[in-house]
Amino acid sequence: KQEVTQIPAALSVPEGENLVLNCSFTDSAIYNLQWFRQDPGKGLTSLLLIQSSQREQTSGRLNASLDKSSGRSTLYIAASQPGDSATYLCAPLNYNQGGKLIFGQGTELSVKP
Amino acid sequence: GAVVSQHPSRVICKSGTSVKIECRSLDFQATTMFWYRQFPKQSLMLMATSNEGSKATYEQGVEKDKFLINHASLTLSTLTVTSAHPEDSSFYICSASSGNHQPQHFGDGTRLSIL
Repeated sequence: KQEVTQIPAALSVPEGENLVLNCSFTDSAIYNLQWFRQDPGKGLTSLLLIQSSQREQTSGRLNASLDKSSGRSTLYIAASQPGDSATYLCAPLNYNQGGKLIFGQGTELSVKP
Repeated sequence: GAVVSQHPSRVICKSGTSVKIECRSLDFQATTMFWYRQFPKQSLMLMATSNEGSKATYEQGVEKDKFLINHASLTLSTLTVTSAHPEDSSFYICSASSGNHQPQHFGDGTRLSIL
């Protein structure tokens, strides 16, 4: 059974800092892995999707890396801004699971101006 | 593209009421829809997976007679919380996917409060 852990659980930084959010998963037989953002009381917004054959994906100030064999993914946020404040969730998609995503507990990020 | 609309966004009702939540894919055909529940400060927990035209598959511990799911078309799935009680108060989120290994696109969630 896939288990997902995200570290840290919460993070508070001043504006402008570069950040690394960590995600680890126990079952490395994944098809892909997604990083999502969730604002309070809202649904999820997909940020990046990395296929199992890829090592990283970039979108603007966001860069996600994947090391499937060790069961780890990181989300790097460059030059953080107050608007980046949200909860960040990672979710690997395993083969033969009917498309089910397993979510970590998330990292609650607060970027202070 | 890939917009999922969830309605209503907020429901407040008395104990014993049945509540229906709709999830629509607006610009793509969703062969599979997922229903999640999220309690405060916790992550999303999958409740059930619904494939168009067939019965939903419920996760362990989720009462299928309490949480009725219908996925009658490729663009609409509904979750009905029957005879809701205060412990059913939660944030319910749906997602839709056009295929088994395709990305899931999420609705904005429904905040359900049972008095």
